Amino acid sequence: QVQLQQGGAGLLKPSETLSLTCVVNGGSLSGYHWTWIRQSPGVGLEWIGEIDHSGSTIYNPSLKSRVTLSVDSSKNQFSVRLSSVTAADTAVYYCARALGLSWGYYYMDIWGRGTTVTV
Amino acid sequence: DIVMTQSPATLSLSPGEGATLSCRASQSISTNLAWYQQTPGQAPRLLIYGASTRATGIPARFSGSGSGTEFTLTITRPQSEDFAVYYCQQYNRWPRTFGQGTKVEIK
Repeated sequence: QVQLQQGGAGLLKPSETLSLTCVVNGGSLSGYHWTWIRQSPGVGLEWIGEIDHSGSTIYNPSLKSRVTLSVDSSKNQFSVRLSSVTAADTAVYYCARALGLSWGYYYMDIWGRGTTVTV
Repeated sequence: DIVMTQSPATLSLSPGEGATLSCRASQSISTNLAWYQQTPGQAPRLLIYGASTRATGIPARFSGSGSGTEFTLTITRPQSEDFAVYYCQQYNRWPRTFGQGTKVEIK
């Protein structure tokens, strides 16, 4: 059974870079898309972006200038980096597997437990 | 971006009373809609995808319907563990967007 294990720093100062990882346990990166979502009381659930096993990415335009997603197949993990953070980036960050029956139409079927990030 | 609007914000139910949650998209999304359940301190859990297909392990008391811009999640005879927040999410276009959630609480 696939599980996603999240890691990374939870306390940042303004202007620092958020960096989180998500290890895929019990499965492979190949054949799926992988996403990051964040949740805050004021905004709710916000999709950050997604990446496939080859490294192709799609970002939310609202964050595109500051966010980078990457995959590391050797470690079976994927990561998010968000630069120049402010208090508005305080949220619970989730990683998730994106699944779909046809290309481009993916829903999130497996989620990590979440990492609380405070700026 | 596609705006997802959920109603009501809060639904108060007596145990065993059925629940109907609504989700509206600002433009047509065909049936590319998912429903998630979230309990306090937990990550969202996939309930429904394709507007009406239950995810693996989801009880039959959860059902979804709709297409285009109007969608419904029905919970027949909710159990105690079903009192939670429910979100809809469209995956017809990028960026993926979520509704603001409906909290289902015990009356």
